[in-house]
Amino acid sequence: AQSVTQLGSHVSVSEGALVLLRCNYSSSVPPYLFWYVQYPNQGLQLLLKYTTGATLVKGINGFEAEFKKSETSFHLTKPSAHMSDAAEYFCAVSGGANNLFFGTGTRLTVIP
Amino acid sequence: DAEITQSPRHKITETGRQVTLACHQTWNHNNMFWYRQDLGHGLRLIHYSYGVQDTNKGEVSDGYSVSRSNTEDLPLTLESAASSQTSVYFCASSESIGPYEQYFGPGTRLTVT
Repeated sequence: AQSVTQLGSHVSVSEGALVLLRCNYSSSVPPYLFWYVQYPNQGLQLLLKYTTGATLVKGINGFEAEFKKSETSFHLTKPSAHMSDAAEYFCAVSGGANNLFFGTGTRLTVIP
Repeated sequence: DAEITQSPRHKITETGRQVTLACHQTWNHNNMFWYRQDLGHGLRLIHYSYGVQDTNKGEVSDGYSVSRSNTEDLPLTLESAASSQTSVYFCASSESIGPYEQYFGPGTRLTVT
C-alpha cells in the first residue's frame, strides 16, 4: 500500500531564508514521487518528480527534492524563499498503479 | 496546447438538487480523476476512470456518480446535493503508463445551501 505523510501543516519562513518542506512515504514497490504546488484559487501544478536515476531532482522556480530510499523521504527545498513562493504544497506517491496518493498538504507562508 | 477544463467554476445550489460538474481534457489521457478539497483533509479521491466505460469508486464516493462515454470527458454528478458536499472539486487526468503524473483542472467551487 502507498501513503504519504507531510510533517507540518503550516510552515513560515522569512524572505531569503531556506525553505524545507518534509515528506515521508510508504510504498511496497519502487515509488514515483511528486511535489505539486497550489496557488490560491488555482489547481495543482507539478513542481518536480522523481521516477528513476538521479536522486536529486530539480524542478521549477528553484525548488529541488532528494529521494532518500533509506529514510523513505522526499523533502522539498529551496535555498532562498521569495514572496511568490507562498502557496500550499502537496507531496504524492505512485507505487506502480495508475493512482497517486497525496499528503494532506503544507501551507507555506513567507514573511517579508 | 493541451489542457483540462472544468465548468462551471462556481456553483451555488440548494439541498436536494441534482448537480453535474463538467471536466474536459484534450491530453487524450486514458485516466481521469475527481477529487474534493476541504480544509484539513487535503485531496480526497471521489471517483476515477481508466478508460471509456470504466468507472471506479474512490474513498469518498457516497452521493456522487460518474460516467465515461468518451476519452475527453468525465462529468461528476451529485445525485441529491447535501450541505456536506460544499467543497472545491478538482478534476485531473494522466497517462495510463508510468509515472502517472496527473494534470489538474482549475477547480469548481460548489456551495450547497
